[in-house]
Amino acid sequence: ETGVTQSPTHLIKTRGQQVTLRCSSQSGHNTVSWYQQALGQGPQFIFQYYREEENGRGNFPPRFSGLQFPNYSSELNVNALELDDSALYLCASSLVGVGNSPLHFGNGTRLTVT
Amino acid sequence: AQSVTQLDSQVPVFEEAPVELRCNYSSSVSVYLFWYVQYPNQGLQLLLKYLSGSTLVKGINGFEAEFNKSQTSFHLRKPSVHISDTAEYFCAVSDSGGNQFYFGTGTSLTVIP
Repeated sequence: ETGVTQSPTHLIKTRGQQVTLRCSSQSGHNTVSWYQQALGQGPQFIFQYYREEENGRGNFPPRFSGLQFPNYSSELNVNALELDDSALYLCASSLVGVGNSPLHFGNGTRLTVT
Repeated sequence: AQSVTQLDSQVPVFEEAPVELRCNYSSSVSVYLFWYVQYPNQGLQLLLKYLSGSTLVKGINGFEAEFNKSQTSFHLRKPSVHISDTAEYFCAVSDSGGNQFYFGTGTSLTVIP
């Protein structure tokens, strides 16, 4: 079974720039969620995608957007980067409709905004 | 909405000693509860989950947790820790909709040789 993979592992951007992070779901999973983990904090829910549609969103501004593709892979896009966007971004896949399916996480992308 | 409180930010414990990591949750609906472990520079790995049924759940690496509805708690325990258990531990809750997991701020477990 192929796990969740994320790319890149590390990224450095300048304030005001735009960034795209990528995620491949675990095989057999049809739902992707993105979380932001600031240093010393627990993960915070950004949004979830199911059947290529946004299926729930946390308290994040519209400059955080996403996509899910037919093969269930996903992208997280962040526009107009701010210093506070520096964090570990975690992608998690799950299987909606099969009990309450636990999240399976990738190793994350460490984003640094300078 | 749900919330999770992990009362202990850091827990040092000697190798082979028992440990308990505390987790309390707040919710007005039925919940599902999870414990995850995060090693440095890695994502989160599922340790165990409570969905329904027996309130004592067993997970990987010898960990177990007990769901206590009256005290709204889901404490994680291990009878004898190893050096390799040093990591960050997160408690999480979700509801029947399953769209969003709410995580606590984490407990850093350090096992001392």
